[in-house]
Amino acid sequence: QVQLVQSGGGLVQPGGSLRLSCETSGFTFNAYALHWVRQAPGKGLEWLAVISDDADITYYADSVMGRFTISRDDSRNTLHLLLSSLRPEDTAMYYCARSGCASVDCYALGTHWGLGTLVTVSS
Amino acid sequence: EIVLTQSPATLSLSPGERATLSCRASQSIAYSLAWYQQKPGQAPRLLIYDAFNRATGIPARFSGSGSGTDFTLTINSLEPDDFAVYYCQQRSGWPITFGPGTRLEIK
Repeated sequence: QVQLVQSGGGLVQPGGSLRLSCETSGFTFNAYALHWVRQAPGKGLEWLAVISDDADITYYADSVMGRFTISRDDSRNTLHLLLSSLRPEDTAMYYCARSGCASVDCYALGTHWGLGTLVTVSS
Repeated sequence: EIVLTQSPATLSLSPGERATLSCRASQSIAYSLAWYQQKPGQAPRLLIYDAFNRATGIPARFSGSGSGTDFTLTINSLEPDDFAVYYCQQRSGWPITFGPGTRLEIK
């Protein structure tokens, strides 16, 4: 079955960096676009970034553009999100999600989701 | 940016009743709308995509309708497991955006 196992969250100081990972299994990794979505404590969902199946296309939310970088490692079936220049308002649960198809504007952002990893930005 | 507005913010109903949740887009998004369910401590779950298509494994009591700017998620004969937060999400324009959510609570 499809699985997305997340890691890499934790406590980081403002201005610091962190790399989140999302190790996948149960499907052909390089056939699907992948997304990152976050949720601040007690708040709603915020889409962050997407990468196409072949990594040629990426899009970012304005709130993270230039600070976060999405990437994928097809050899390890793993999605990454590099978070830099972190701010307290980046504190959130971060989810990876597999889309329903290869393209970045697929009919379904998240047919399968990871359980989330918590990032806390605080001094 | 396409802004999604959901109403009501909170909906209080009893098991067995019908729930009607609304999502309005700030501009026409054709049929490019999805609905997700989220329970406390869990990741979202895809319910509906492209306005009215049920995702794999979603019961038939969940249905979506609408196009353009106005969309509806209907849940017939509510079951205890249906009480959760529901989000709409558009993919018509970048960035992808979510609505603020509707909390469906037991009356």
